[in-house]
Amino acid sequence: KQEVTQIPAALSVPEGENLVLNCSFTDSAIYNLQWFRQDPGKGLTSLLLIQSSQREQTSGRLNASLDKSSGRSTLYIAASQPGDSATYLCPYAANRGGNNDMRFGAGTRLTVKP
Amino acid sequence: DAGVIQSPRHEVTEMGQEVTLRCKPISGHDYLFWYRQTMMRGLELLIYFNNNVPIDDSGMPEDRFSAKMPNASFSTLKIQPSEPRDSAVYFCASSLEGYPYDGYTFGSGTRLTVV
Repeated sequence: KQEVTQIPAALSVPEGENLVLNCSFTDSAIYNLQWFRQDPGKGLTSLLLIQSSQREQTSGRLNASLDKSSGRSTLYIAASQPGDSATYLCPYAANRGGNNDMRFGAGTRLTVKP
Repeated sequence: DAGVIQSPRHEVTEMGQEVTLRCKPISGHDYLFWYRQTMMRGLELLIYFNNNVPIDDSGMPEDRFSAKMPNASFSTLKIQPSEPRDSAVYFCASSLEGYPYDGYTFGSGTRLTVV
């Protein structure tokens, strides 16, 4: 059964710091991985989707990597800003009888202080 | 494309009333998902469809909940009768091939309050 753990559960940093959010999976058979952020009271915004043939993706100050062999993904945020404050989610793929769907863990709640 | 469109954005209803939430997926996406989010339970998958057919409804909490997808461009989630514990934010998402083969796009959600 596929489970995801996000570390840390919460993180508070001063503005300007580089930071790393981690996801680990109990099953390393991951195809793709999608990182989301969710602002308080808002919907989910897709940040990056790492395809099965890729090891990392970059978008602006964000870089996400995927290591299938270890069942881990890392989201790196450079030069953090108060606007980065949100909950970051790293959903896993549940394999139920061959069907595919996305299930979420608790996420990492990030606060960037001015 | 306008993305995944949900309506209404907010719904306040009295206990016992019927509530219908609506979702329009991205055109061409074969998968549609309904999620519920609460503080206590986080994001939960309720049901998902592939090509308008319900594939997995094991997350639907009880018989008071029902979902339909009469065509590729429209889905509804109905609660009848509604109860205060149904208060939550309900999200709809669509995907071309389903995760993990493809990413998801979420709607803005419907915030439901049952009083």
